[in-house]
Amino acid sequence: DAGVTQSPTHLIKTRGQHVTLRCSPISGHKSVSWYQQVLGQGPQFIFQYYEKEERGRGNFPDRFSARQFPNYSSELNVNALLLGDSALYLCASSGTVNYGYTFGSGTRLTVV
Amino acid sequence: GESVGLHLPTLSVQEGDNSIINCAYSNSASDYFIWYKQESGKGPQFIIDIRSNMDKRQGQRVTVLLNKTVKHLSLQIAATQPGDSAVYFCAENNGTGGFKTIFGAGTRLFVKA
Repeated sequence: DAGVTQSPTHLIKTRGQHVTLRCSPISGHKSVSWYQQVLGQGPQFIFQYYEKEERGRGNFPDRFSARQFPNYSSELNVNALLLGDSALYLCASSGTVNYGYTFGSGTRLTVV
Repeated sequence: GESVGLHLPTLSVQEGDNSIINCAYSNSASDYFIWYKQESGKGPQFIIDIRSNMDKRQGQRVTVLLNKTVKHLSLQIAATQPGDSAVYFCAENNGTGGFKTIFGAGTRLFVKA
């Protein structure tokens, strides 16, 4: 079985641009969470979706948005990119809303 | 505020020795705790978890201890191997419905051969 898959693996964007990151959860998993991991720090929670509804939101500006599709895949969108948005963006999926999350390998976003 | 932190940013141990990685959490309402291992270029990998109604849980070569009185969590790795070299994060599901997991900053474990 495939694990959590994220695309693209690496991405370079210019300040002010928009970016869309994609995540496919493990088959059968209905919950997806997004995290931002800046180099040298732990992952910071951005969003959680369960059954296509937003169930949790971290302390991120409105430039960050996400959605979950009927097949439970998810997109994370970031508008008006800043240099400080450069990070590893991680997606995790679970069959429950609270427990048992499996992480993907992430998308490395560099904003120049 | 919410925070999960680690006491030591780096830990160096000899191969074969036992490793202990510590973590403090601040939200007394957290009911679920997880240890993750992250190797370079990879996402966090689940190691072991523990719920707040337990104080100890054992896995293969790993043990997690939870002390709710002082809000402290530890990960013990027995007979540490070079493959255990990585950054280790503790994380908690906070008490607000558990819909987000708060990570600490991480401890880098170096295993000397």
